[in-house]
Amino acid sequence: AQSVTQLDSQVPVFEEAPVELRCNYSSSVSVYLFWYVQYPNQGLQLLLKYLSGSTLVKGINGFEAEFNKSQTSFHLRKPSVHISDTAEYFCAVTSNAGNNRKLIWGLGTSLAVNP
Amino acid sequence: NAGVTQTPKFQVLKTGQSMTLQCAQDMNHNSMYWYRQDPGMGLRLIYYSASEGTTDKGEVPNGYNVSRLNKREFSLRLESAAPSQTSVYFCASSEPVHGGEQYFGPGTRLTVT
Repeated sequence: AQSVTQLDSQVPVFEEAPVELRCNYSSSVSVYLFWYVQYPNQGLQLLLKYLSGSTLVKGINGFEAEFNKSQTSFHLRKPSVHISDTAEYFCAVTSNAGNNRKLIWGLGTSLAVNP
Repeated sequence: NAGVTQTPKFQVLKTGQSMTLQCAQDMNHNSMYWYRQDPGMGLRLIYYSASEGTTDKGEVPNGYNVSRLNKREFSLRLESAAPSQTSVYFCASSEPVHGGEQYFGPGTRLTVT
């Protein structure tokens, strides 16, 4: 079985400051990892994904994440946030074996960027 | 290319009424999913369809039924709505052989009074 823990439910930060949203997972098999963003009253949008290869993954809107297999983590970072980054962020994991790609979701981290 | 579309966007039901939420995708994806989202509870999978012709229960299937009408369409039915089903419902689709990233619709906000 797999599980995802997003370590912070809320992260307040000032505009232009760096931010890190933390995600740990547990799995007995190899995984694919995802970060999604949800702006208010909208659906979820993929920010970035790790399937294989380089452990540093770059996504949209200046976000990046690093896959750390030994620490079973996939933390999301941005060096300088904007007001428009205020949103809910979700980490998700799935097994990379077989064709069943159900995602296991974290509970989300609410990022509030203040001026 | 519309991606994933959902209808309706908003709905208010009285307890005991029934309704069907519609979802369609134009990306030729094999897999489709229905989630509900409630404050503080993240996304919970209601039902999914790994491929056309198959459906399986997720973690919160009670009170719901689904139909995978064809490869494009996946509907969710509430037979007798209850206030506990007040939620935002999202449909998603994915193509497992491409890594399984899911593409989401805009959601349906359902209130049951």
